Amino acid sequence: DGGITQSPKYLFRKEGQNVTLSCEQNLNHDAMYWYRQDPGQGLRLIYYSQIVNDFQKGDIAEGYSVSREKKESFPLTVTSAQKNPTAFYLCASSTGQYTGELFFGEGSRLTVL
Amino acid sequence: SQKIEQNSEALNIQEGKTATLTCNYTNYSPAYLQWYRQDPGRGPVFLLLIRENEKEKRKERLKVTFDTTLKQSLFHITASQPADSATYLCALDKSGGSYIPTFGRGTSLIVHP
Repeated sequence: DGGITQSPKYLFRKEGQNVTLSCEQNLNHDAMYWYRQDPGQGLRLIYYSQIVNDFQKGDIAEGYSVSREKKESFPLTVTSAQKNPTAFYLCASSTGQYTGELFFGEGSRLTVL
Repeated sequence: SQKIEQNSEALNIQEGKTATLTCNYTNYSPAYLQWYRQDPGRGPVFLLLIRENEKEKRKERLKVTFDTTLKQSLFHITASQPADSATYLCALDKSGGSYIPTFGRGTSLIVHP
């Protein structure tokens, strides 16, 4: 089945530690995205990538880093510089064409202890 | 400032009735608007897209309208069922020509049997 796989689904981290969230897609989509969702908040864009080896900052990129070495993969690292990292993280992909719908993964819930 | 506004209060309706959800926006000139469904702890799922030159779009029990003069989209679910209970998000392109949707906070719909 084609889709997007995020892992882990739940993650606990101590303050000061970096953590990497995995996102893999087999939809052959060019574009991939990372969003953050907090309770009662909309989705906020962290980073996006239109093609391999290229990515752009979204609205809230500070404290996060990404890489896009393969078309299928777009991992997100939450660094210790991120002041408030506890959140629900969503990865998505699309064809990258105008008006293209986003296909989302099931999300990763990060809790900082 | 740019805003996408969806009713933060949950919409409670009786099974069989029509649910109507509202998405208002300010300081955007979107070329399209999308609607997604999100269940608790899951990623959003795309439902419908409507372009700026379209007044109305239908898909099974779903209907979306788009009024660029009022800067508003209405999302209707006819003959609602308890299984329709979820949060519904609207999303639009951040600026004309962008393929990256910007999301509202969503409205929770609860359909009572």
